[in-house]
Amino acid sequence: NAGVMQNPRHLVRRRGQEARLRCSPMKGHSHVYWYRQLPEEGLKFMVYLQKENIIDESGMPKERFSAEFPKEGPSILRIQQVVRGDSAAYFCASSPTEFYEQYFGPGTRLTVT
Amino acid sequence: QQQVKQSPQSLIVQKGGIPIINCAYENTAFDYFPWYQQFPGKGPALLIAIRPDVSEKKEGRFTISFNKSAKQFSLHIMDSQPGDSATYFCAASLVTSGTYKYIFGTGTRLKVLA
Repeated sequence: NAGVMQNPRHLVRRRGQEARLRCSPMKGHSHVYWYRQLPEEGLKFMVYLQKENIIDESGMPKERFSAEFPKEGPSILRIQQVVRGDSAAYFCASSPTEFYEQYFGPGTRLTVT
Repeated sequence: QQQVKQSPQSLIVQKGGIPIINCAYENTAFDYFPWYQQFPGKGPALLIAIRPDVSEKKEGRFTISFNKSAKQFSLHIMDSQPGDSATYFCAASLVTSGTYKYIFGTGTRLKVLA
């Protein structure tokens, strides 16, 4: 049973470009969470999604950031017009139900030049 | 109210030592306290977790001590090994928006010397 998969593992974008981060949850998991980790800091919650629904996006910046989890395919975190401050590791986690432990993927390390 | 304060920021122990990492919280609504282990370049992996109705939980060499009245909990690693060198995060969660929302501490970078 494969774990949570994220791609790409490393992503370099120039300021103003778009970044698309993908997350495939563990088999049987329909709940997906996105977190951001800045250097030397803990993980900060961004958004919680179930299939085709955003449940809680209280940690998402109001502009440039969006997330989706379509009926088919991976969850996608999209960052438009990236800025240097968006450079961070972005982790996806999944769980089988809403009240269960979250299992993390290996992360995508975004560098904005 | 939503913060989890973790200390120390870094820790160096000799092989066989017992590193202790501490976390404190304010919000009494938190009801689940997991610890995660993260190796460089990897995602956090769940290590051990506790609920506030229990004062201690052991899994292998890892022990969580929980003090509900003080709103503190700690991770002890018995007989630490160089392979335990990693960053450890505590977290606290509460039910909100129909799910567990995790609030993470800032992490403790542990180095175990051979």
